Amino acid sequence: DTAVSQTPKYLVTQMGNDKSIKCEQNLGHDTMYWYKQDSKKFLKIMFSYNNKELIINETVPNRFSPKSPDKAHLNLHINSLELGDSAVYFCASSHHRTGLSGNTIYFGEGSWLTVV
Amino acid sequence: AQSVSQHNHHVILSEAASLELGCNYSYGGTVNLFWYVQYPGQHLQLLLKYFSGDPLVKGIKGFEAEFIKSKFSFNLRKPSVQWSDTAEYFCAVNAHGNTGKLIFGQGTTLQVKP
Repeated sequence: DTAVSQTPKYLVTQMGNDKSIKCEQNLGHDTMYWYKQDSKKFLKIMFSYNNKELIINETVPNRFSPKSPDKAHLNLHINSLELGDSAVYFCASSHHRTGLSGNTIYFGEGSWLTVV
Repeated sequence: AQSVSQHNHHVILSEAASLELGCNYSYGGTVNLFWYVQYPGQHLQLLLKYFSGDPLVKGIKGFEAEFIKSKFSFNLRKPSVQWSDTAEYFCAVNAHGNTGKLIFGQGTTLQVKP
């Protein structure tokens, strides 16, 4: 059973289109994330939701809109796709813990988005 | 602002060689530290983590890392690499109280020659 699953795994689309990537986790976690990995393999957080509430929103164009219908799902919708949006988008999840107990973040398999 | 620096961008080793990948972070407070591995075309997998306690942590597949607080370092080691260790390795830091926001290093590509 896949713990954090994303669909689609590969997506090729034209500039200007709108697309969505879906994510689901079956780990019982209450916090979910979207990370972006660019062509140089640099990883950076985009968003984080805790119990359907947005808690981290990095400097991301407002063409990107996350939606969390429940704590097991976090979808990413992208409007008016641009060439620079081409990247691998990783969904992740964890328990919401701080301090010494920490929180281990588990990643999905990634969604390879190519904008042409 | 927090940052993570991995000194080696591309490492090439022969099988059975020893490995050490450097990782330094800049943050004055208490942190949680992670090493993730990404095999070609695959997702990130957790190799090991440090939250507290013994600064020498052991992970999967024979990897270990040592947290040296005075040097702000968390270097990854393996005594004898295998061809199957060929992958991208990422060091990451999460500041206490800043749950979930992992700051990643730029990654190190490890190529192990059979």
